[in-house]
Amino acid sequence: SQKIEQNSEALNIQEGKTATLTCNYTNYSPAYLQWYRQDPGRGPVFLLLIRENEKEKRKERLKVTFDTTLKQSLFHITASQPADSATYLCALDGGYSTLTFGKGTMLLVSP
Amino acid sequence: NAGVMQNPRHLVRRRGQEARLRCSPMKGHSHVYWYRQLPEEGLKFMVYLQKENIIDESGMPKERFSAEFPKEGPSILRIQQVVRGDSAAYFCASSPRGTPTNEKLFFGSGTQLSVL
Repeated sequence: SQKIEQNSEALNIQEGKTATLTCNYTNYSPAYLQWYRQDPGRGPVFLLLIRENEKEKRKERLKVTFDTTLKQSLFHITASQPADSATYLCALDGGYSTLTFGKGTMLLVSP
Repeated sequence: NAGVMQNPRHLVRRRGQEARLRCSPMKGHSHVYWYRQLPEEGLKFMVYLQKENIIDESGMPKERFSAEFPKEGPSILRIQQVVRGDSAAYFCASSPRGTPTNEKLFFGSGTQLSVL
């Protein structure tokens, strides 16, 4: 069956460190993979999109990698700040018209 | 430049009542998607609509749930005869084109439905 797996346990890190979140998928062949941020009581907010032929994408302190052989994407936040604390969702092709989301990983950055 | 607007933010219904959730997409967006999020669960796709058309309703329960996106006005997600299991956060998203997999979705703040 198709699965998108993200760490269910919260990731706790100290301010200034690099946070690395993992998204693994099974039985998908996505052409694109997206990352979103969700704060409590709010809708997800788009962060980055990476294509299958791109190994890495960067935006300010964010970096995403996409390994179609390992079926994995890594999401990095460098020089993390308490304001980065949120749940991060990965999403990919779920069908011809749908974006399928993982359950997300909560990131907690302590001062 | 308003984002995706959903209302109400919170909706309380008793079992058996009807719930109507509204979503106005971003200006210039003609594609609307509804997702449901349960506690400890991911966002689950329900339905994808364009103006006056349902494009994909593969994630929608077969009974009691319906959605529309009329030519004028917001998109409506309607749940008839609500049950406690319908309690969840319902999110609407929009995009300018109907290719959600290779462009970003803009989400509203959601409607939290509570069924007593």
